Amino acid sequence: DTAVSQTPKYLVTQMGNDKSIKCEQNLGHDTMYWYKQDSKKFLKIMFSYNNKELIINETVPNRFSPKSPDKAHLNLHINSLELGDSAVYFCASSLSAGEVETQYFGPGTRLLVL
Amino acid sequence: GQNIDQPTEMTATEGAIVQINCTYQTSGFNGLFWYQQHAGEAPTFLSYNVLDGLEEKGRFSSFLSRSKGYSYLLLKELQMKDSASYLCAAKDSNYQLIWGAGTKLIIKP
Repeated sequence: DTAVSQTPKYLVTQMGNDKSIKCEQNLGHDTMYWYKQDSKKFLKIMFSYNNKELIINETVPNRFSPKSPDKAHLNLHINSLELGDSAVYFCASSLSAGEVETQYFGPGTRLLVL
Repeated sequence: GQNIDQPTEMTATEGAIVQINCTYQTSGFNGLFWYQQHAGEAPTFLSYNVLDGLEEKGRFSSFLSRSKGYSYLLLKELQMKDSASYLCAAKDSNYQLIWGAGTKLIIKP
């Protein structure tokens, strides 16, 4: 009965590799997000999709590419990984992108680039 | 620019009351959220304020003053399990959440 799930939970990889993180929500929400939380604990929005359409695309290197095959899934592909990409990546979803909607977070993916 | 300020760390005693303050500057305003994040876990929703005043939910209450760009989270009857980071986040005119860095709350017996 997991609401927002992410895989993998841990990801350790070498610089230069390409990796993907998957996210799925079973809440019937229309809007999904990717956040990066660095060592200083700031949550930074990276992308947001509403009904498979990209609505927020912050200043993120184009090595990061989100893909939403349907509104229940939002995957994140990262090319040519760099040391600075090491962080915790959280997926979240909300009923819509509107004013009062609460965001529900997945458990996070801890990425370590060596 | 848009900015959320909250203290980095606070310490309180089990059974006591603690108030965590947050000030925000955003382009437009569409509500103020508080989330709790235990170490190594995901943030979870605590409260939402869009109108001025106090919202009470059990041991936790949240206050908002829109004219002052200020909110606080009040935690009563502190328990050891309340040790966590508390994240303040404000929604701007584009309904995008702007997050603070969080306040790490340490509860001592």
